[in-house]
Amino acid sequence: TQLLEQSPQFLSIQEGENLTVYCNSSSVFSSLQWYRQEPGEGPVLLVTVVTGGEVKKLKRLTFQFGDARKDSSLHITAAQPGDTGLYLCAGALTTSGTYKYIFGTGTRLKVLA
Amino acid sequence: DAGVIQSPRHEVTEMGQEVTLRCKPISGHNSLFWYRQTMMRGLELLIYFNNNVPIDDSGMPEDRFSAKMPNASFSTLKIQPSEPRDSAVYFCASSLSLAGVEQFFGPGTRLTVL
Repeated sequence: TQLLEQSPQFLSIQEGENLTVYCNSSSVFSSLQWYRQEPGEGPVLLVTVVTGGEVKKLKRLTFQFGDARKDSSLHITAAQPGDTGLYLCAGALTTSGTYKYIFGTGTRLKVLA
Repeated sequence: DAGVIQSPRHEVTEMGQEVTLRCKPISGHNSLFWYRQTMMRGLELLIYFNNNVPIDDSGMPEDRFSAKMPNASFSTLKIQPSEPRDSAVYFCASSLSLAGVEQFFGPGTRLTVL
């Protein structure tokens, strides 16, 4: 059972366009992370959101944590070819003393020059 | 500062052979994670250690897979015997603690089993 569903799965856009990627779950997360992975490399952490409703900005990237801490979104303004990569959301679940770190299904973004 | 180091970066082997993947976490990090990534299944957590102790190995596919962490600066993931379906990219990641959920990944080992 995949606990973190991302949409869309694939996205190909022109340079300068805006886009939003979604990360949804039926579980409540204490925090949620967004990573970007480029070909041949490991995922690199972009941001952590902790508080329900929290909004964080990283240059042209805006991250939001849902009020109920079950979902998150990543918005990119004026996308550039350098934004191309696999975007992954991830979070930790702690239930009955058991720790699970879950990665989302991923969104593969391609920005065309 | 050195990040997570993995070796080898690429491994090609024949079915039935033993494969050992190596990882050196970031100094001072107490938690270490092994992942496998494929196009079909995405990024899957195989096992994680906290303070060198295996905490949860429920993600390990089967008994052919084993992992050890003999000290705070070294871990191995072994597959014996290897099968073609084990072909994937294997990542090691470390974090300050289990509570510190921000993980730092190594460059991965691309394993091909023929």
